[in-house]
Amino acid sequence: DQQVKQNSPSLSVQEGRISILNCDYTNSMFDYFLWYKKYPAEGPTFLISISSIKDKNEDGRFTVFLNKSAKHLSLHIVPSQPGDSAVYFCAASGEGGATNKLIFGTGTLLAVQP
Amino acid sequence: DTGVSQDPRHKITKRGQNVTFRCDPISEHNRLYWYRQTLGQGPEFLTYFQNEAQLEKSRLLSDRFSAERPKGSFSTLEIQRTEQGDSAMYLCASTPTGRQTQYFGPGTRLLVL
Repeated sequence: DQQVKQNSPSLSVQEGRISILNCDYTNSMFDYFLWYKKYPAEGPTFLISISSIKDKNEDGRFTVFLNKSAKHLSLHIVPSQPGDSAVYFCAASGEGGATNKLIFGTGTLLAVQP
Repeated sequence: DTGVSQDPRHKITKRGQNVTFRCDPISEHNRLYWYRQTLGQGPEFLTYFQNEAQLEKSRLLSDRFSAERPKGSFSTLEIQRTEQGDSAMYLCASTPTGRQTQYFGPGTRLLVL
C-alpha cells in the first residue's frame, strides 16, 4: 500500500516558467513533509519541508503548499532553471512512534528545457 | 565537508558473497537511518539507530542483513549471502534528536552478479 504517491512520473517545463510537482498521501498521522532532489548516482538532497500545522513554506525559488483536508502537497519552483532538472521525491514522517522514518513517493523526473 | 559520508560508493560482488557498507553521519547527529532504493522507486526504510541502540527494523531487513552502530558514531550494514535481488542503492541518513529533516549521504550502489 503506497502511503505517499507521486502520480506524475515526469514533467517538462520551459526555463523561466513555473514547475509544479504534486504529491498525495493517505495516512492522516503524517505530521511533517519534505521534498528532496536527487541526481543520478547521488543521494537525495533536502530542499524544503513543512509541518502539518502550516499550509505554506517558502525558501527562495521553492514554495511548498500543504492541503491537509485533501491530503495533498505541492512544490512550486519559480522561476525554473535548467539546473533544477532532476528527480524530485516527496516524503512524509510522523506515522506514529518515535522513529520519524521517512516514507517516500516514487518520484517525479523534472526536465527544464533551456 | 561535514556531510554524511558512505563507503564504498560502488560495490560489485558475486551472488553468495558477504558485503559490508559503512556510514559516517554528520557529527553530533545521534539518529541514523538506513534506506534502500531500487530503480523507479523511492527510498525505503530499513533500520534506525538512536545513538548505539537499534530501535526499529523494517520487515524488508531479512535475517541476512545486520546493522550496527557500536559507539553511536559510524554505522555498518552487512549483507550475508548476497542475492541478485539485493542489488540496489543503499542510503544512509542522519538527523539530530528533535529534528525531522534527514540528511542523506551519497549512497552505496551494490550490484550482485
